[in-house]
Amino acid sequence: DIQLTQSPSFLSASVGDRVTITCRASQGISSYLAWYQQKPGKAPKLLIYAASTLQSGVPSRFSGSGSGTEFTLTISSLQPEDFATYYCQQLNTYPYTFGQGTNLEIK
Amino acid sequence: QVQLQESGPGLVKPSQTLSLTCTVSGGSISSGSHYWTWIRQPAGKGLEWIGRIYTSGSTNYNPSLRSRVTISLDTSKNQFSLKLSSVTAADTAVYYCARILPSAWGQGTLVTVSS
Repeated sequence: DIQLTQSPSFLSASVGDRVTITCRASQGISSYLAWYQQKPGKAPKLLIYAASTLQSGVPSRFSGSGSGTEFTLTISSLQPEDFATYYCQQLNTYPYTFGQGTNLEIK
Repeated sequence: QVQLQESGPGLVKPSQTLSLTCTVSGGSISSGSHYWTWIRQPAGKGLEWIGRIYTSGSTNYNPSLRSRVTISLDTSKNQFSLKLSSVTAADTAVYYCARILPSAWGQGTLVTVSS
């Protein structure tokens, strides 16, 4: 299986901060990477697919980049509703594995 | 827009078979080229991809579960289903049905394996 390692696992930040989450794959996955946001008791919400394509309806403060084995999700200016857990998922090779998650908390 | 809704027993006994159904509304499950997916999440833990079924009926499963998993399609009811056999407490989780792209997820259903 392809392992996805997210860093950091926990992140404390303030409203207005710029934050970056990294997802590293154990082998190359081209640009077959998605990013999700999950809030407690809710299903994950797709933010980014194909590494850098913003899902319709997602605010432009979210952006994704990378290819191969290293990817980043950036939130340019944190809003109160952005505090959640974020997951990356590779869609290159079965099984379509997820990263362990990054818990973004309010400082 | 397409909406998905999971249904099935919330409690399953160890060694029995977990059976869940995902009902798709707002669009036909057999139209277009879509993959219909099952994903699970144990309480307080991360997401695990279980498997998917294409509109043609072809399937792909997580090798860690392949011997126990069956995903099927019922186009007459606009549903797809998950069966997981020989369950143990480790299979206790919230189970989501989803279409990855275009994205659509069910709200999730908690299945507890306990006697």
